[in-house]
Amino acid sequence: KNEVEQSPQNLTAQEGEFITINCSYSVGISALHWLQQHPGGGIVSLFMLSSGKKKHGRLIATINIQEKHSSLHITASHPRDSAVYICAVLTSGTYKYIFGTGTRLKVLA
Amino acid sequence: GAGVSQSPSNKVTEKGKDVELRCDPISGHTALYWYRQRLGQGLEFLIYFQGNSAPDKSGLPSDRFSAERTGESVSTLTIQRTQQEDSAVYLCASSRGIYNEQFFGPGTRLTVL
Repeated sequence: KNEVEQSPQNLTAQEGEFITINCSYSVGISALHWLQQHPGGGIVSLFMLSSGKKKHGRLIATINIQEKHSSLHITASHPRDSAVYICAVLTSGTYKYIFGTGTRLKVLA
Repeated sequence: GAGVSQSPSNKVTEKGKDVELRCDPISGHTALYWYRQRLGQGLEFLIYFQGNSAPDKSGLPSDRFSAERTGESVSTLTIQRTQQEDSAVYLCASSRGIYNEQFFGPGTRLTVL
């Protein structure tokens, strides 16, 4: 079992739909990242959080440290949101990153 | 200001040769990270540098891999005696600190023939 699990692996949505991507982890962490990898390969950091909730535009990220779970929500999805979304945890103490396998999102117009 | 830059953007080499990949972080960023992404696979963490602290090299895949950083500037990732399994995109990122947003470079695509 991977130390960082994401679900779903693939997701197809219609434009305007509310999207949730989940990340569960089994290790102690100092922080959690959500990253977006565009079809061309470029990677953008969306959020880094260690507690609570963060919001940026149509994106919301939450984390529950006790349950070892984080979610990334996209409201009013748009075809330009089509990308791979990656969860990464920064392990506590050793300061290493462990990545989830990613969620491939396709938003149809 | 400029983002994270990496060079070369593409490198094709023959098995057994050594290669050196370069990363120029954003000025003022004390933390620098190296990652690897094999074709169709997820990201792997290789190593990170924080200021002048000695890096933890345990994430490097083998002793053929080494990385250096001079102060808070340029970093190089060196792969000796390259193998076909080393073919991947090597990504560098930098941040103000380990608890800050990372900015990624465009990557170096390494192909080992």
